[in-house]
Amino acid sequence: DGGITQSPKYLFRKEGQNVTLSCEQNLNHDAMYWYRQDPGQGLRLIYYSQIVNDFQKGDIAEGYSVSREKKESFPLTVTSAQKNPTAFYLCASTQIAGAEAFFGQGTRLTVV
Amino acid sequence: QKEVEQNSGPLSVPEGAIASLNCTYSDRGSQSFFWYRQYSGKSPELIMSIYSNGDKEDGRFTAQLNKASQYVSLLIRDSQPSDSATYLCAVIQRGGYQKVTFGTGTKLQVIP
Repeated sequence: DGGITQSPKYLFRKEGQNVTLSCEQNLNHDAMYWYRQDPGQGLRLIYYSQIVNDFQKGDIAEGYSVSREKKESFPLTVTSAQKNPTAFYLCASTQIAGAEAFFGQGTRLTVV
Repeated sequence: QKEVEQNSGPLSVPEGAIASLNCTYSDRGSQSFFWYRQYSGKSPELIMSIYSNGDKEDGRFTAQLNKASQYVSLLIRDSQPSDSATYLCAVIQRGGYQKVTFGTGTKLQVIP
Protein backbone atom coordinates (compact mmCIF):
# COMPACT_ATOMS: atom_id res chain seq x y z
CA ASP A 1 0.00 0.00 0.00
CA GLY A 2 1.20 3.51 -0.80
CA GLY A 3 1.58 5.97 1.99
CA ILE A 4 3.76 8.01 4.28
CA THR A 5 5.55 6.45 7.22
CA GLN A 6 6.82 8.46 10.13
CA SER A 7 8.98 7.02 12.86
CA PRO A 8 9.15 6.80 15.73
CA LYS A 9 5.60 7.41 16.93
CA TYR A 10 6.83 8.68 20.30
CA LEU A 11 10.23 10.23 20.97
CA PHE A 12 11.79 11.56 24.13
CA ARG A 13 14.67 14.00 24.05
CA LYS A 14 16.94 15.17 26.79
CA GLU A 15 17.86 18.81 27.06
CA GLY A 16 20.70 19.71 24.68
CA GLN A 17 20.30 16.68 22.43
CA ASN A 18 19.68 16.61 18.70
CA VAL A 19 17.05 14.14 17.51
CA THR A 20 16.04 13.09 14.01
CA LEU A 21 12.49 12.28 12.93
CA SER A 22 12.09 10.00 9.96
CA CYS A 23 9.62 10.46 7.08
CA GLU A 24 9.43 8.08 4.12
CA GLN A 25 6.86 8.04 1.30
CA ASN A 26 6.23 5.59 -1.52
CA LEU A 27 3.64 7.68 -3.31
CA ASN A 28 6.18 9.03 -5.80
CA HIS A 29 5.26 12.55 -4.68
CA ASP A 30 7.66 15.35 -5.51
CA ALA A 31 6.88 17.70 -2.62
CA MET A 32 7.29 16.94 1.07
CA TYR A 33 6.53 19.03 4.13
CA TRP A 34 7.15 19.12 7.87
CA TYR A 35 4.60 20.71 10.19
CA ARG A 36 4.54 21.27 13.90
CA GLN A 37 1.32 21.21 15.89
CA ASP A 38 1.02 22.36 19.48
CA PRO A 39 -1.97 21.42 21.66
CA GLY A 40 -5.11 23.17 20.46
CA GLN A 41 -3.24 24.83 17.62
CA GLY A 42 -3.15 24.55 13.87
CA LEU A 43 -0.30 23.29 11.71
CA ARG A 44 2.75 25.49 11.36
CA LEU A 45 5.14 24.88 8.49
CA ILE A 46 8.75 24.13 9.41
CA TYR A 47 10.35 23.19 6.09
CA TYR A 48 9.24 22.05 2.68
CA SER A 49 10.91 20.55 -0.34
CA GLN A 50 9.71 20.46 -3.93
CA ILE A 51 12.58 18.46 -5.42
CA VAL A 52 15.56 16.42 -4.34
CA ASN A 53 18.47 18.40 -2.90
CA ASP A 54 16.35 21.53 -2.52
CA PHE A 55 14.27 22.75 0.40
CA GLN A 56 12.81 25.98 1.73
CA LYS A 57 12.30 27.36 5.20
CA GLY A 58 8.76 27.62 6.41
CA ASP A 59 7.36 29.89 9.08
CA ILE A 60 9.18 28.37 12.08
CA ALA A 61 12.46 26.90 10.74
CA GLU A 62 14.72 28.14 13.54
CA GLY A 63 16.17 25.25 15.52
CA TYR A 64 15.35 22.68 12.84
CA SER A 65 17.21 21.24 9.88
CA VAL A 66 16.26 18.93 7.01
CA SER A 67 17.78 17.09 4.09
CA ARG A 68 16.32 15.73 0.86
CA GLU A 69 18.88 13.37 -0.61
CA LYS A 70 16.25 10.98 -1.97
CA LYS A 71 12.79 11.62 -3.36
CA GLU A 72 11.27 9.20 -0.86
CA SER A 73 12.85 10.58 2.28
CA PHE A 74 12.69 13.89 4.14
CA PRO A 75 14.13 13.58 7.66
CA LEU A 76 13.80 16.39 10.17
CA THR A 77 16.43 17.09 12.83
CA VAL A 78 15.36 18.95 15.92
CA THR A 79 18.51 20.60 17.19
CA SER A 80 19.43 21.76 20.67
CA ALA A 81 18.84 25.31 19.42
CA GLN A 82 15.09 24.62 19.40
CA LYS A 83 14.20 25.71 22.91
CA ASN A 84 10.66 24.40 23.05
CA PRO A 85 10.54 21.26 20.90
CA THR A 86 7.73 19.41 22.70
CA ALA A 87 5.01 19.07 20.05
CA PHE A 88 3.31 16.79 17.54
CA TYR A 89 5.27 16.66 14.27
CA LEU A 90 3.56 15.82 11.00
CA CYS A 91 5.13 14.97 7.67
CA ALA A 92 3.12 15.36 4.47
CA SER A 93 3.60 14.98 0.74
CA THR A 94 1.87 16.29 -2.38
CA GLN A 95 2.14 16.00 -6.10
CA ILE A 96 3.87 19.12 -7.31
CA ALA A 97 0.87 20.13 -9.43
CA GLY A 98 -1.07 21.37 -6.41
CA ALA A 99 -2.99 18.31 -5.36
CA GLU A 100 -4.01 17.33 -1.86
CA ALA A 101 -1.53 16.61 0.92
CA PHE A 102 -1.25 13.19 2.49
CA PHE A 103 -0.03 12.88 6.04
CA GLY A 104 1.98 10.39 8.01
CA GLN A 105 0.82 9.21 11.43
CA GLY A 106 2.87 11.83 13.23
CA THR A 107 5.66 11.79 15.82
CA ARG A 108 5.02 13.07 19.31
CA LEU A 109 8.23 14.56 20.70
CA THR A 110 8.64 15.24 24.39
CA VAL A 111 11.57 16.88 26.13
CA VAL A 112 12.45 15.20 29.42
CA GLN B 1 -3.50 39.29 8.33
CA LYS B 2 -3.18 35.53 8.51
CA GLU B 3 -2.95 33.75 5.21
CA VAL B 4 -5.75 31.32 6.06
CA GLU B 5 -8.26 32.14 8.80
CA GLN B 6 -10.81 30.00 10.57
CA ASN B 7 -12.95 30.50 13.65
CA SER B 8 -11.45 28.22 16.30
CA GLY B 9 -14.85 27.35 17.79
CA PRO B 10 -15.98 25.17 19.32
CA LEU B 11 -18.98 24.95 17.04
CA SER B 12 -21.71 22.92 18.68
CA VAL B 13 -24.56 21.43 16.65
CA PRO B 14 -27.20 18.85 17.57
CA GLU B 15 -27.11 15.43 15.95
CA GLY B 16 -28.85 15.48 12.57
CA ALA B 17 -28.33 19.21 12.00
CA ILE B 18 -26.21 20.91 9.35
CA ALA B 19 -22.77 22.06 10.47
CA SER B 20 -21.30 25.01 8.57
CA LEU B 21 -17.56 25.63 8.72
CA ASN B 22 -15.97 28.70 7.19
CA CYS B 23 -12.52 29.74 5.99
CA THR B 24 -11.12 32.90 4.42
CA TYR B 25 -7.78 33.32 2.68
CA SER B 26 -5.65 36.31 1.83
CA ASP B 27 -3.91 35.40 -1.45
CA ARG B 28 -6.34 36.17 -4.26
CA GLY B 29 -4.31 34.00 -6.62
CA SER B 30 -4.72 30.85 -4.53
CA GLN B 31 -5.44 27.85 -6.66
CA SER B 32 -6.46 24.83 -4.64
CA PHE B 33 -8.52 24.43 -1.49
CA PHE B 34 -8.93 21.51 0.86
CA TRP B 35 -10.77 20.48 3.98
CA TYR B 36 -9.19 18.04 6.42
CA ARG B 37 -10.64 16.36 9.49
CA GLN B 38 -8.40 15.74 12.48
CA TYR B 39 -9.38 13.67 15.45
CA SER B 40 -7.61 14.38 18.72
CA GLY B 41 -4.08 12.96 18.72
CA LYS B 42 -4.30 11.80 15.11
CA SER B 43 -3.04 13.14 11.81
CA PRO B 44 -5.32 15.07 9.43
CA GLU B 45 -7.26 13.18 6.79
CA LEU B 46 -8.56 14.70 3.58
CA ILE B 47 -12.33 15.16 3.29
CA MET B 48 -12.81 17.40 0.27
CA SER B 49 -10.87 19.26 -2.36
CA ILE B 50 -12.24 22.08 -4.51
CA TYR B 51 -10.57 24.03 -7.29
CA SER B 52 -13.26 26.12 -9.00
CA ASN B 53 -16.05 28.42 -7.91
CA GLY B 54 -19.29 26.81 -6.83
CA ASP B 55 -20.32 23.77 -4.87
CA LYS B 56 -18.87 20.27 -4.76
CA GLU B 57 -20.78 17.50 -3.02
CA ASP B 58 -19.53 14.17 -1.69
CA GLY B 59 -22.00 12.24 0.41
CA ARG B 60 -22.92 14.31 3.46
CA PHE B 61 -20.20 16.87 2.73
CA THR B 62 -20.45 19.92 0.47
CA ALA B 63 -17.55 22.28 -0.16
CA GLN B 64 -18.31 25.78 -1.43
CA LEU B 65 -15.78 28.13 -3.02
CA ASN B 66 -16.16 31.83 -3.80
CA LYS B 67 -12.88 33.18 -5.16
CA ALA B 68 -14.20 36.72 -5.52
CA SER B 69 -14.89 36.83 -1.78
CA GLN B 70 -11.84 34.67 -0.97
CA TYR B 71 -14.04 32.35 0.99
CA VAL B 72 -14.38 28.59 1.21
CA SER B 73 -16.82 26.66 3.37
CA LEU B 74 -17.70 23.10 4.33
CA LEU B 75 -21.24 21.96 5.06
CA ILE B 76 -21.86 18.69 6.87
CA ARG B 77 -25.45 17.46 6.56
CA ASP B 78 -27.06 15.08 9.04
CA SER B 79 -24.21 15.63 11.51
CA GLN B 80 -23.21 12.61 13.56
CA PRO B 81 -21.33 12.39 16.87
CA SER B 82 -18.52 10.72 14.91
CA ASP B 83 -18.10 14.01 13.00
CA SER B 84 -16.87 15.64 16.21
CA ALA B 85 -13.31 16.67 15.35
CA THR B 86 -11.23 19.65 14.32
CA TYR B 87 -11.65 20.70 10.69
CA LEU B 88 -8.68 22.28 8.96
CA CYS B 89 -8.88 24.46 5.88
CA ALA B 90 -5.83 24.32 3.60
CA VAL B 91 -4.89 26.49 0.66
CA ILE B 92 -2.24 26.15 -2.01
CA GLN B 93 -1.02 29.55 -3.01
CA ARG B 94 0.29 30.66 -6.37
CA GLY B 95 3.96 30.82 -7.11
CA GLY B 96 6.84 28.59 -8.04
CA TYR B 97 6.82 26.82 -4.70
CA GLN B 98 3.29 25.58 -4.18
CA LYS B 99 3.26 25.76 -0.42
CA VAL B 100 0.30 24.29 1.43
CA THR B 101 -0.89 26.66 4.16
CA PHE B 102 -3.29 25.54 6.86
CA GLY B 103 -5.73 27.45 8.99
CA THR B 104 -5.76 26.88 12.73
CA GLY B 105 -8.86 24.72 12.50
CA THR B 106 -12.43 24.79 13.80
CA LYS B 107 -13.43 22.36 16.52
CA LEU B 108 -16.83 20.81 15.85
CA GLN B 109 -18.89 19.16 18.56
CA VAL B 110 -21.97 17.18 17.53
CA ILE B 111 -24.25 16.72 20.50
CA PRO B 112 -26.31 13.49 20.61
